Amino acid sequence: GNSVTQMEGPVTLSEEAFLTINCTYTATGYPSLFWYVQYPGEGLQLLLKATKADDKGSNKGFEATYRKETTSFHLEKGSVQVSDSAVYFCALSGGGATNKLIFGTGTLLAVQP
Amino acid sequence: GAVVSQHPSRVICKSGTSVKIECRSLDFQATTMFWYRQFPKQSLMLMATSNEGSKATYEQGVEKDKFLINHASLTLSTLTVTSAHPEDSSFYICSARKGPNEQFFGPGTRLTVL
Repeated sequence: GNSVTQMEGPVTLSEEAFLTINCTYTATGYPSLFWYVQYPGEGLQLLLKATKADDKGSNKGFEATYRKETTSFHLEKGSVQVSDSAVYFCALSGGGATNKLIFGTGTLLAVQP
Repeated sequence: GAVVSQHPSRVICKSGTSVKIECRSLDFQATTMFWYRQFPKQSLMLMATSNEGSKATYEQGVEKDKFLINHASLTLSTLTVTSAHPEDSSFYICSARKGPNEQFFGPGTRLTVL
């Protein structure tokens, strides 16, 4: 079945450091891929998405490229801020009638001043 | 925009009582909504898919008689935790589907069963 694997956290960085959170997936067909962010005590917010191979999703300085050959969708940001501290979830949607989302386990990012 | 609300945001109840959580899509209609459960420091686990006007579809291992779902309108789905016990304490999150590839999430409901 479909699944998502993302790097375990926590990831602790200093402000302005470069961020990479790895995400790989297993899926049949051509899933859509997503990164969601969850701030403390809140629900999930869509950060970015890509719906086909080689697409690059970007938002708020974050980027991720849909790599079919490596089945990956790594999240990157060139310079993190304290306000980026949150839990980041990689997810895929296999399509179909209900479009269920399958989530990775989440990665806690802590950015220190 | 696409806004999904949940009510209540926090609820504390005694063991054996039932608790209802509401999920509303405020500015769009959603024929499909999803209910998730999130344990501390873990990912979201899909509990069920709520379909407007029909029965919900439950994931394997989720008791449908314990977690009652009603999707009576295009903007409202409810999850009722019946005869709640401490092990039901969790963070419950709903989402509403808008378009083929987008889900918008509610802010979550923290349930604590004493």
